[in-house]
Amino acid sequence: EVVLTQSPATLSVSPGQRATLSCRASQSVATNVAWYQQKPGQAPRLIISGTSNRAAGIPARFSGSGSGTEFTLTISSLQSEDFAVYYCQQYNIWFTFGGGTKVEIK
Amino acid sequence: QLQLQESGPGLVNPSGTLSLTCTVSGGAISTINEYWGWIRQSPGKGLEWIASVNSNGKTYNNPSLSSRVAISVDASKNKFSLKLNFVTAADTAVYFCARHSGGGLRSIPYWGQGVLVTVSS
Repeated sequence: EVVLTQSPATLSVSPGQRATLSCRASQSVATNVAWYQQKPGQAPRLIISGTSNRAAGIPARFSGSGSGTEFTLTISSLQSEDFAVYYCQQYNIWFTFGGGTKVEIK
Repeated sequence: QLQLQESGPGLVNPSGTLSLTCTVSGGAISTINEYWGWIRQSPGKGLEWIASVNSNGKTYNNPSLSSRVAISVDASKNKFSLKLNFVTAADTAVYFCARHSGGGLRSIPYWGQGVLVTVSS
């Protein structure tokens, strides 16, 4: 099983500031990584697929990068609606999800 | 706009069978090369993929659950279903049905709202 480790577990950021979230895979997953945003009581929402491709309707302040075992989600200027939990997922070898990073207001 | 809605019992007895159905609207489940799946979320284990099925009925199961899982498609009703046997308290979770993107087992742009299933006597 591919284990995804997300860091940090919690990220405290002021509105308007930049947030950088990390996801490390226990083995190479090429670029088959997606990122999801989840708010309380809601289903996850796809933000990024294929490491760096924004999903439909996702604003340009969200960007993804990486390959192999190291991946990053960057939110360039946090808006109030961006405070949520973010999960990475790999779909190179079946599917697994990371444990999540909670982005909270500083 | 594609929509998915889970339904099924919210309470299942230990050692029993969890049965859920996902009703799809706004699109045909039989569309060629579409993949449909189930994911669950529990406080203890986070998000966990359970199984997926394509429009031809080919199934893909999480190896860790494979011996207890069955997923199937009913194209005539535009639904797909999940059965999980021999459940324990560890199977208590919110269960989501979903559709993968782009004709393969890829990322998931479409999710149902989720249904809480509790395993308890």
